[in-house]
Amino acid sequence: DIQMTQSPSTLSASVGDRVTITCRASQSISSWLAWYQQKPGKAPKLLIYKASSLESGVPSRFSGSGSGTEFTLTISSLQPDDFATYYCQQAWTFGQGTKVEIK
Amino acid sequence: QVQLQESGPGLVKPSQTLSLTCTVSGGSISSGGYYWSWIRQHPGKGLEWIGYIYYSGSTYYNPSLKSRVTISVDTSKNQFSLKLSSVTAADTAVYYCASRAVTTGYFDYWGQGTLVTVSS
Repeated sequence: DIQMTQSPSTLSASVGDRVTITCRASQSISSWLAWYQQKPGKAPKLLIYKASSLESGVPSRFSGSGSGTEFTLTISSLQPDDFATYYCQQAWTFGQGTKVEIK
Repeated sequence: QVQLQESGPGLVKPSQTLSLTCTVSGGSISSGGYYWSWIRQHPGKGLEWIGYIYYSGSTYYNPSLKSRVTISVDTSKNQFSLKLSSVTAADTAVYYCASRAVTTGYFDYWGQGTLVTVSS
């Protein structure tokens, strides 16, 4: 089975910061990677699919990149609404999550 | 717009069977093209995929849960269901139903989630 490893597990940042989250696959997954945002008490929300495609309605400050085994989710300028937990996903496996906290 | 809604008991006794149903609206399970999945999240933890069913009835389960999981579909009611047997406190979690298109690889529609607590 392919394992997905996210880093960091927690990230402290301020409004306006550029934030990068990394997801590594244990073997090549081409571009078959998605990113989700989850807020407390809510279901995950799709942000990025196929590694770099922005889901409709998602702000353009979110972007994804990578292929093969290493992927990144970048928030170009962190907004108050962005403090949440982020997950990567490939096939039937999710990363362990990255919590973005207020610094 | 496809919507999913979980329903079922919020409290299950240890050793019993957890049963949940997901009702799909705004789209038809029988039209194909989607894997209808169950995903759970232990309190304060990450997401764990449980399994999926296709409209034809074919299933695929997480190997770690396979011996206890059954997912079924009722296309006449546009519903799919989860049964998890021999539950323990470790099965206490929020359970989500979600859909994943066969061709895309990502989960695009999710239910709101339902908390199931295993306790006597």
